[in-house]
Amino acid sequence: DVKVTQSSRYLVKRTGEKVFLECVQDMDHENMFWYRQDPGLGLRLIYFSYDVKMKEKGDIPEGYSVSREKKERFSLILESASTNQTSMYLCASSFTLGGGPGYTFGSGTRLTVV
Amino acid sequence: AQRVTQPEKLLSVFKGAPVELKCNYSYSGSPELFWYVQYSRQRLQLLLRHISRESIKGFTADLNKGETSFHLKKPFAQEEDSAMYYCALRWRNDYKLSFGAGTTVTVRA
Repeated sequence: DVKVTQSSRYLVKRTGEKVFLECVQDMDHENMFWYRQDPGLGLRLIYFSYDVKMKEKGDIPEGYSVSREKKERFSLILESASTNQTSMYLCASSFTLGGGPGYTFGSGTRLTVV
Repeated sequence: AQRVTQPEKLLSVFKGAPVELKCNYSYSGSPELFWYVQYSRQRLQLLLRHISRESIKGFTADLNKGETSFHLKKPFAQEEDSAMYYCALRWRNDYKLSFGAGTTVTVRA
């Protein structure tokens, strides 16, 4: 029944490491998104993709990059992890414009950078 | 830039009491409004959207364009309503959702 899968539930990485967060959806959605969720700040959009190999910056893209080589997979990359990137990361997917049932979210990856 | 404001970080009510979660948004065009909910140890999920004009789990929300608000209401709160609630907005013909900071609701017995 799981439709948006994030590969890791918990991750602990060291400062300066390159970190990959993976997300896979099986609903044939065109759009995929990466958010970070922080207490008191809500969800903030990092990057999104509306098609394979297409990507657009969200509100807080600094320190992150993304990759979408296949429609079902959207990867978030922390080029050089820092402690202020410790957060819960949520992946989501949706059909394209014009409404629909909104987003489907993954269960999240809690990343700790030490 | 569009903004979604949820003024209450925490809301505590007694079981059976009414509950109202406030959501205001900055005005610029014609938005779609949503409420998402995250129960403990569960993933974030859609609760309702203004276009549907539906009641889900006893919750309703009315879009008030004059006041640019989309408050979520339930007349009789239940303990299982304890969760984090996010208001979200998407402009027409846009891909992405903008979320508020969230309101944690605790329903006490």
